[in-house]
Amino acid sequence: AQSVSQHNHHVILSEAASLELGCNYSYGGTVNLFWYVQYPGQHLQLLLKYFSGDPLVKGIKGFEAEFIKSKFSFNLRKPSVQWSDTAEYFCAVAKYGGATNKLIFGTGTLLAVQP
Amino acid sequence: ETGVTQTPRHLVMGMTNKKSLKCEQHLGHNAMYWYKQSAKKPLELMFVYSLEERVENNSVPSRFSPECPNSSHLFLHLHTLQPEDSALYLCASSQLGGTGETQYFGPGTRLLVL
Repeated sequence: AQSVSQHNHHVILSEAASLELGCNYSYGGTVNLFWYVQYPGQHLQLLLKYFSGDPLVKGIKGFEAEFIKSKFSFNLRKPSVQWSDTAEYFCAVAKYGGATNKLIFGTGTLLAVQP
Repeated sequence: ETGVTQTPRHLVMGMTNKKSLKCEQHLGHNAMYWYKQSAKKPLELMFVYSLEERVENNSVPSRFSPECPNSSHLFLHLHTLQPEDSALYLCASSQLGGTGETQYFGPGTRLLVL
């Protein structure tokens, strides 16, 4: 069965530290890849997405992610985190088939940034 | 952001109650989804409606009953729930379109079953 793995369940960083959150998926076909963020008390928001083209995609708030097809990975990065980046981050993969594209989510990574 | 709204935001119900969750999308989309978010588990897709027809039911118990009266509204009717059904229930919508399709989420309904 298709799955999405986020290896870091909890990450604690100090402000200005660099961030990299891992995401690996098992689906072998054509995929779209997403990172969603859920700030405390808020709803899931789209951070960035990859559909095709340049494998390095840039999202909101200085985040970027790189799609490496050979590694089935889509890691999220930010060079310098801020306290306001404290949130839960979800990687998701959309696979195609049927009437809609089905999103499969990872378990999420809880990021705490200390001021 | 008010693209996808959900009511109520919080709900406490007993196991014998009947209640309904409501979702409304203001994005002009033609597909809607119900997800269940439990602690330490990936979001679980429950139901998918495409063009107002249910196209996916992911082995969800019959005590959950979805309804999609039109492309903007989605309901989840609840009856005789169990305590393990306590979770955050998320609604999402998207515009069908193959490779460019992106789902947008509502704030969720936090459900507690006593």
